[in-house]
Amino acid sequence: TQLLEQSPQFLSIQEGENLTVYCNSSSVFSSLQWYRQEPGEGPVLLVTVVTGGEVKKLKRLTFQFGDARKDSSLHITAAQTGDTGLYLCAGVGGSSNTGKLIFGQGTTLQVKP
Amino acid sequence: DTAVSQTPKYLVTQMGNDKSIKCEQNLGHDTMYWYKQDSKKFLKIMFSYNNKELIINETVPNRFSPKSPDKAHLNLHINSLELGDSAVYFCASSQVRGALAPAFFGQGTRLTVV
Repeated sequence: TQLLEQSPQFLSIQEGENLTVYCNSSSVFSSLQWYRQEPGEGPVLLVTVVTGGEVKKLKRLTFQFGDARKDSSLHITAAQTGDTGLYLCAGVGGSSNTGKLIFGQGTTLQVKP
Repeated sequence: DTAVSQTPKYLVTQMGNDKSIKCEQNLGHDTMYWYKQDSKKFLKIMFSYNNKELIINETVPNRFSPKSPDKAHLNLHINSLELGDSAVYFCASSQVRGALAPAFFGQGTRLTVV
């Protein structure tokens, strides 16, 4: 069974601080996606990483896929209150053509002013 | 226009009742999904359809039955509702299956069984 473990589960920081969220597995994934979910809404895709070692940047967010494609990280620089939300990593699991997403437990981020 | 829309957004019902949740996507996608998010925010896939054909059927009680009348719609019918069915149910769609397919999620249906 493919599992993704996210850490930390909860993070409360002050505006302006940096943070990193980790997503780890013992399984290899063909790709990893990061989503952000706000209360009362569905998850919204932030990025997809496909190649081992790949780094993608989205403004103050930096995403990295591990060389072995078993782990990923999300780093936020100078967090803002608007970054508050639930961050979810998801690996495309099962047979390669189903599009089945296996989600981590999520990281709830609170950025205080 | 909402890309993936679900109705209703909130559903409160008694144990033993039968209820349906409807989902429609206007993105022209071939693949649609149902996910369940529990009280700890953990999201787990339930079903997936591609062009009206069932391709993923996870270990879900057979009280849950998806129906796809066409590739733009995927409804979820639940029989004999139980307290443990209380959760947020998300419909999603993707243009293609496979590693690069991002999923577009609806706003969710919060089901509360009392």
